[in-house]
Amino acid sequence: AQTVTQSQPEMSVQEAETVTLSCTYDTSESDYYLFWYKQPPSRQMILVIRQEAYKQQNATENRFSVNFQKAAKSFSLKISDSQLGDAAMYFCAYTGGTSYGKLTFGQGTILTVHP
Amino acid sequence: DGGITQSPKYLFRKEGQNVTLSCEQNLNHDAMYWYRQDPGQGLRLIYYSQIVNDFQKGDIAEGYSVSREKKESFPLTVTSAQKNPTAFYLCASSKFRERAYNEQFFGPGTRLTVL
Repeated sequence: AQTVTQSQPEMSVQEAETVTLSCTYDTSESDYYLFWYKQPPSRQMILVIRQEAYKQQNATENRFSVNFQKAAKSFSLKISDSQLGDAAMYFCAYTGGTSYGKLTFGQGTILTVHP
Repeated sequence: DGGITQSPKYLFRKEGQNVTLSCEQNLNHDAMYWYRQDPGQGLRLIYYSQIVNDFQKGDIAEGYSVSREKKESFPLTVTSAQKNPTAFYLCASSKFRERAYNEQFFGPGTRLTVL
């Protein structure tokens, strides 16, 4: 079974600084997708960024980028120029192979942004 | 506006009672999902449905039941057999294509508390 692990329950960053959230996963599939979701205090889940496993290039969305290390099964999220609105719970998630359509989530990392 | 609605936002249940959580979408999506979120844990899949009149168990289906009589609706019943139902419940929907990525869109959630 696929598993997703986020080893950082909480992280903090100063406004305008950069922070990296870690995620590792385990799968025997070769075809899969990885995601970072943001859940602000409103609890609405928002897709931040996704990465296709077959793409070597790391995905980037404005201030958000990933470091995808396929061999190491690592998928970290870097937030540059952190803003107060980035404060939220962040979830790493996986889908792929025979489990396409089902998302497997990590435990989440609470990010605090200090002004 | 297209989207996913969940009702009610807050729900209180006495022990031994069944309760039904509503999820409606007007995105014309084929697939719908129910997740449970507990503190310190990521979202876990309860049930999912890829087509009307068909649904499959997720990772934690015990004590829950669903129906999919209409494409737009996927209600979740939390039965008295669910031993620890207090949690935040999220509904999601997506298009469905076999062995392909289908972005899931989430509703605002229902907070269920057992008194």
